Amino acid sequence: NAGVMQNPRHLVRRRGQEARLRCSPMKGHSHVYWYRQLPEEGLKFMVYLQKENIIDESGMPKERFSAEFPKEGPSILRIQQVVRGDSAAYFCASSPGPTRDYTFGSGTRLTVV
Amino acid sequence: GQQLNQSPQSMFIQEGEDVSMNCTSSSIFNTWLWYKQDPGEGPVLLIALYKAGELTSNGRLTAQFGITRKDSFLNISASIPSDVGIYFCAGLGGATNKLIFGTGTLLAVQP
Repeated sequence: NAGVMQNPRHLVRRRGQEARLRCSPMKGHSHVYWYRQLPEEGLKFMVYLQKENIIDESGMPKERFSAEFPKEGPSILRIQQVVRGDSAAYFCASSPGPTRDYTFGSGTRLTVV
Repeated sequence: GQQLNQSPQSMFIQEGEDVSMNCTSSSIFNTWLWYKQDPGEGPVLLIALYKAGELTSNGRLTAQFGITRKDSFLNISASIPSDVGIYFCAGLGGATNKLIFGTGTLLAVQP
């Protein structure tokens, strides 16, 4: 029973490139959450999605960031025209419903050079 | 927005000592969760609390959901070196039931 799978584990992008982060939730989980963690800080909520719908994107920057969770396939967090300040660990979590049993993936560490 | 204040920020203790950390919020949460994060990994759930006043144990870990629903604490008894890591509280609430994390407590255990 695989856990939450995130790939890639490490991603290096030059300023101005696009970064695409993938998250496959646990089997049976239809709720996905993305968080960002800067070095030596806590996890900051970005976006909450349920299959094909964005439920809460109050933590997403207004520009360059987008997220989707299609009917088939993983959830994608997309960052366009990356800047150095986007360098962080991005974690995905999934749950079978909105109230409990959140399981986190191991994260994608994005480095913008 | 909702904020969770976690204290202490860091703790340096001797193996065998007990540890206590807490989390307070300006808003009410429906669920409190405690996570541990090792370097380079995602947070791993330690204890989940679903009712105000609830006291729950998981081995050497004990956590309580405050009566006011605005606070929670985590105790670790008889600490061991593998307890080293960053501990985060998290509250579940708000209109969309998203998980809000505390600022973290770094625990270092001296053998």
